[in-house]
Amino acid sequence: DTAVSQTPKYLVTQMGNDKSIKCEQNLGHDTMYWYKQDSKKFLKIMFSYNNKELIINETVPNRFSPKSPDKAHLNLHINSLELGDSAVYFCASSQGGTVVSYEQYFGPGTRLTVT
Amino acid sequence: AQSVTQLGSHVSVSEGALVLLRCNYSSSVPPYLFWYVQYPNQGLQLLLKYTTGATLVKGINGFEAEFKKSETSFHLTKPSAHMSDAAEYFCAVSDQTRGQGGSEKLVFGKGTKLTVNP
Repeated sequence: DTAVSQTPKYLVTQMGNDKSIKCEQNLGHDTMYWYKQDSKKFLKIMFSYNNKELIINETVPNRFSPKSPDKAHLNLHINSLELGDSAVYFCASSQGGTVVSYEQYFGPGTRLTVT
Repeated sequence: AQSVTQLGSHVSVSEGALVLLRCNYSSSVPPYLFWYVQYPNQGLQLLLKYTTGATLVKGINGFEAEFKKSETSFHLTKPSAHMSDAAEYFCAVSDQTRGQGGSEKLVFGKGTKLTVNP
């Protein structure tokens, strides 16, 4: 059983389009994240949610809007796609404790290509 | 703010040789440190982590890392490389925002690509 799954795995679209990436985790975790990995493999956090509440919101353009319908799902919607949005987007989840550090489990990634 | 520097974007070793991947960190608080591995076209997988306690941390697949506060380092080692170790390795430090709703922000280094030659 896949712990953290993302759909689609590949997404090719044109500039100006709107697209969504879906993420689901079956680990029972409270916290979910979105990361962006650029062409140089640099990985940076974008958002985190804890129990459907937005906790971390890095300096991401407001064209990116995360949505968490329940604590097992965290979707990423991107409006007016730009060439610079081309990257691999990773979803992750963790137990989200307030004292100790818990492992973050990553999904397989969604490779977004904007043409 | 926390940051991580990985020395060497590419490391090449022979099968059976020692693997040493370097990581130095900067943190304003006692750091929580991690090593993740990314195999081609896959997500990241935790190799090991240091939070508190023993400074020599053992992880999966025979990897270990030693936290050295005086050197602000957390280098990853494996005594004998295997072909299956070829991957991208990321060092990360936590900014320890866990108190804020349980989320934890990881700051990653730029990664080191490990090549293992037969």
